Amino acid sequence: QKEVEQNSGPLSVPEGAIASLNCTYSDRGSQSFFWYRQYSGKSPELIMSIYSNGDKEDGRFTAQLNKASQYVSLLIRDSQPSDSATYLCAVIFGNEKLTFGTGTRLTIIP
Amino acid sequence: NAGVMQNPRHLVRRRGQEARLRCSPMKGHSHVYWYRQLPEEGLKFMVYLQKENIIDESGMPKERFSAEFPKEGPSILRIQQVVRGDSAAYFCASSPGQAGVHEQYFGPGTRLTVT
Repeated sequence: QKEVEQNSGPLSVPEGAIASLNCTYSDRGSQSFFWYRQYSGKSPELIMSIYSNGDKEDGRFTAQLNKASQYVSLLIRDSQPSDSATYLCAVIFGNEKLTFGTGTRLTIIP
Repeated sequence: NAGVMQNPRHLVRRRGQEARLRCSPMKGHSHVYWYRQLPEEGLKFMVYLQKENIIDESGMPKERFSAEFPKEGPSILRIQQVVRGDSAAYFCASSPGQAGVHEQYFGPGTRLTVT
């Protein structure tokens, strides 16, 4: 069974601080990793993809991938109240289908 | 709007009726995926289609559920003889189908309620 694990939270972070979200996955052969944001009652929105070891930055978001440790993380700098949402880690284990973690609920405290 | 389109956004069916959910992929995308999100649960893969082909249906329940993506028109997810446990949000996603490009973009979803 290919799995993606996330802490369900809730994770509370003060406004302006760095939010750190973590994810582990079970298949060492995985090559494609994604972070989605989902507001309550809405659909998942792709915010980051990462394929290579190391860091990938896009605005206030940084994705970090460590394939040896089977670990992918998302950092959100200068957190804003609008960042309050559930963050979903997703991995492609094969044949292009996404396997999602259960999500981490993030709350930014003004 | 060049995004993934789904309709209807909300669908109410009585037990035993059929539900048809439609999805038009993003312009230029040829791969379509259906996912289901049960209340208070995570997103689960159901089926992966390309035009006129089902590539992977390993997440589809064995009975009552079917999907198609015809040469012309939207992808359709069909649920026959719905039961209360089918109540969920059904999301469609699409990707370009190009080598090395694996990002999937989601539509707004169809929220199915079975009464």
